[in-house]
Amino acid sequence: QVQLQESGPGLVKPSETLSLTCVVSGYSISSGYYWGWIRQPPGKGLEWIGSIYHSGSIFYNPSLKSRVTISVDTSKNHFSLRLGSVTAADTAVYYCARRHASGDYFNYWGQGTLVTVSS
Amino acid sequence: EIVLTQSPGTLSLSPGERATLSCRAGQSVSGDYLAWYQHKPGQAPSLLIYGASTRAAGIPDRVSGRGSGTDFSLTISRLEPEDFAVYYCQQYGSSPQTFGQGTKLEIK
Repeated sequence: QVQLQESGPGLVKPSETLSLTCVVSGYSISSGYYWGWIRQPPGKGLEWIGSIYHSGSIFYNPSLKSRVTISVDTSKNHFSLRLGSVTAADTAVYYCARRHASGDYFNYWGQGTLVTVSS
Repeated sequence: EIVLTQSPGTLSLSPGERATLSCRAGQSVSGDYLAWYQHKPGQAPSLLIYGASTRAAGIPDRVSGRGSGTDFSLTISRLEPEDFAVYYCQQYGSSPQTFGQGTKLEIK
């Protein structure tokens, strides 16, 4: 059973960098699939942030591309998100997920972690 | 990017009734690459439908999706208590993939 678990600070100061890690269990990232980050601001819908393949191929949402870095560490079987120059608008529940083999949708998700941007 | 508009915002129904949720795209969804998710508070979203009408693994046949182009719908016949949640549509035919704002299905 594939499981994903997000971890990282729940509070980040404005202008700083948000950093989250998604630990994967039940499946080796190096075996394949794209792995993604999605977020949901309070009271709003879901927003795709970006996705990464185990080999390092990455796709970012153009609206966030200038501030986002997604990386993968196959030795630790986790992938990470860094979002720079955060503002209150980046306050959201952040989810990590695994893309389905057949298309750019997600069939395994983490529980999500709330990150609040506040001084 | 493609904007997805879901309606209604909230749908109030009773167990046993039939729910029909709408997802309308601002432009045609390439390949009818549209997915639906169920999301309960504090839980991970759960994939229900992909390719507009293909049920994900383990999803019962009382859940169905249909549509093409710009108009899509999700139907849940014979609502069960566990069906009351928020539902999101997602298009993945054009980059960036985008999600609708959600429809809350609540118990009447």
